[in-house]
Amino acid sequence: DVKVTQSSRYLVKRTGEKVFLECVQDMDHENMFWYRQDPGLGLRLIYFSYDVKMKEKGDIPEGYSVSREKKERFSLILESASTNQTSMYLCASSLPGFTQETQYFGPGTRLLVL
Amino acid sequence: SQQGEEDPQALSIQEGENATMNCSYKTSINNLQWYRQNSGRGLVHLILIRSNEREKHSGRLRVTLDTSKKSSSLLITASRAADTASYFCATAKSYSGAGSYQLTFGKGTKLSVIP
Repeated sequence: DVKVTQSSRYLVKRTGEKVFLECVQDMDHENMFWYRQDPGLGLRLIYFSYDVKMKEKGDIPEGYSVSREKKERFSLILESASTNQTSMYLCASSLPGFTQETQYFGPGTRLLVL
Repeated sequence: SQQGEEDPQALSIQEGENATMNCSYKTSINNLQWYRQNSGRGLVHLILIRSNEREKHSGRLRVTLDTSKKSSSLLITASRAADTASYFCATAKSYSGAGSYQLTFGKGTKLSVIP
C-alpha cells in the first residue's frame, strides 16, 4: 500500500514564524502535491512537483514556497506565517503517465496560526 | 480555480437507503474521480471514470459521466453508517508535457448515514 505521511497532525504557530510542513511518500512517486482545505472552499492546489527539484505553482501559491530535494520528500514552507494561513494542509502523491492519475493523500496537518 | 461543484452540499439518509451525489464541471476533462474523506482525515480515492466512459461500477458504488452535460453522479447503494463522510469529485486535466495530471476538486457533499 502507498503510504504518504505528514510530519505533524496538529501545529500551532505564531504570526511571522517560518513554518515547515513535511511530506514523505514511500512508493517512489514522481508527482507530489500540496493542497489546503478550508470550509466552504474545498481543496485548493498550492504547489506541485513532478520531479526532484522541479516545482510548479498551483492556484494559490502566494505566501508559500516548496522544496523537493529528494524524490520521496516534498516540503511546504510558510516564510512568514499569517492568521489567514490557518487551515488543513494535505499532501498527495501520484505516479506520472496517462494511466496513473489517482492521487494518494496523507492524513493532513491542521495548522493554527495565532 | 474550482472546477467541480457537488450537489447537494449535505445529505442525510437512513441506513440501507441509496445516496446520490452530483458533480458538475466547466471545461473539458481527461477523467473524473471521486474521493472520500472521513472527518479530519486525508482523502481516499474511490473510483475513476474516463471521458470516453459513461458508467462504472465498483462494489456498492456506481458512477456515471455525461460529458455533453459536463456532469457526473455517484450512487452509493445500501448505505451503511460507515459511509458517513464527505465526498469530493475531482476533474483531471493533463499538465503540459510532463505526463502528469492536475486535479481540481469540488467543495464536497457531506453525507450522514443514520443507523
